[in-house]
Amino acid sequence: KQEVTQIPAALSVPEGENLVLNCSFTDSAIYNLQWFRQDPGKGLTSLLLIQSSQREQTSGRLNASLDKSSGRSTLYIAASQPGDSATYLCAVQRWEGKLIFGQGTELSVKP
Amino acid sequence: GAVVSQHPSRVICKSGTSVKIECRSLDFQATTMFWYRQFPKQSLMLMATSNEGSKATYEQGVEKDKFLINHASLTLSTLTVTSAHPEDSSFYICSARDAGSAEAFFGQGTRLTVV
Repeated sequence: KQEVTQIPAALSVPEGENLVLNCSFTDSAIYNLQWFRQDPGKGLTSLLLIQSSQREQTSGRLNASLDKSSGRSTLYIAASQPGDSATYLCAVQRWEGKLIFGQGTELSVKP
Repeated sequence: GAVVSQHPSRVICKSGTSVKIECRSLDFQATTMFWYRQFPKQSLMLMATSNEGSKATYEQGVEKDKFLINHASLTLSTLTVTSAHPEDSSFYICSARDAGSAEAFFGQGTRLTVV
């Protein structure tokens, strides 16, 4: 059974700091891996999608890596801003489309 | 990216009544849609997989008679919470997957409160 774990559960950093969020999964047979952002009481915003054959994806200040063999992914946020404060969810997608989510990392960026 | 519209965004209902939530793919055809539930401070848990024209597949522990799912067209899936109780209060969110796309597109979610 696929299990997705995110560390840390919560993180508070000062504005401008670079940070890394971690995601691990137990079954390497994934179709892709996605990182999402969720603001309080809101839906999900897709940030980055990494295909199982890819190693990383970049979008602006965000960079996500994938090491399928070790079951790990990281989300790197450069030069963090208060507007980055949200919960970040990692999810692995199975071939039929189901997503298995981690518990999320609650990020707070202090001005 | 593709757009998935979920309605309503918020609903408050009395205990014992039924509530219907709609999930529409606006600019693509979704052969498969997924329904998730999120309790406060918890992650999203898959409830069921909805395939157009066939019965939904429910995850273990999800009551199919309580959470009725209908996927009558390639752009619409509905989730009906029947005889709702306060413990059904949660954030329900759908996602849709285009047959030709690798990405899951999510609706905005529905906050259900049963009083």
